[in-house]
Amino acid sequence: AQKVTQAQTEISVVEKEDVTLDCVYETRDTTYYLFWYKQPPSGELVFLIRRNSFDEQNEISGRYSWNFQKSTSSFNFTITASQVVDSAVYFCALSEGGGSEKLVFGKGMKLTVNP
Amino acid sequence: NAGVTQTPKFQVLKTGQSMTLQCAQDMNHEYMSWYRQDPGMGLRLIHYSVGAGITDQGEVPNGYNVSRSTTEDFPLRLLSAAPSQTSVYFCASSYSVASVPYEQYFGPGTRLTVT
Repeated sequence: AQKVTQAQTEISVVEKEDVTLDCVYETRDTTYYLFWYKQPPSGELVFLIRRNSFDEQNEISGRYSWNFQKSTSSFNFTITASQVVDSAVYFCALSEGGGSEKLVFGKGMKLTVNP
Repeated sequence: NAGVTQTPKFQVLKTGQSMTLQCAQDMNHEYMSWYRQDPGMGLRLIHYSVGAGITDQGEVPNGYNVSRSTTEDFPLRLLSAAPSQTSVYFCASSYSVASVPYEQYFGPGTRLTVT
């Protein structure tokens, strides 16, 4: 069965600090897809990234970067030089693909960035 | 494009009442789903549909019904509301290409309280 674990439930940092959000997943499939979503205080869900199981290349998008390691079943998300606008709940999610777009979400991690 | 729309935004029900949460998308996505979000639980899949006329159960389907008569609409029916169904409900749509799932687009959510 699929499972996504976000061990950290809440993190508080001061602006400009770097912060890493951990995500560990479990799946029996060799083909799967990992996602990160952001939920700001306004409540909507915002897609951040999708990564497939065949692509272990790390990705950087501005202040955001993602480290995918199949060996440890982890897909961690780092925010560099955090800003108050990064305050949100962040969800990691897993889909097994193959025509199944069902997402299994982690429980989320609340990030608070203080000025 | 309006994307994914949900109505109502807020609803209060008494135990035993029934109601339908509406969801519509204008992106011609074949895949639609309903999630509920409870504090500390992340998002959990209730029901999903891979196309008009096809629906299936997710992780927490009890107490809910769905149907998909058109590509655009995917209503969620609460048959007899219970306090345990107090939650925020999100509808989402997505598509796949060659069985590769792309990101899910989420509606703004419906906050339901059952008293």
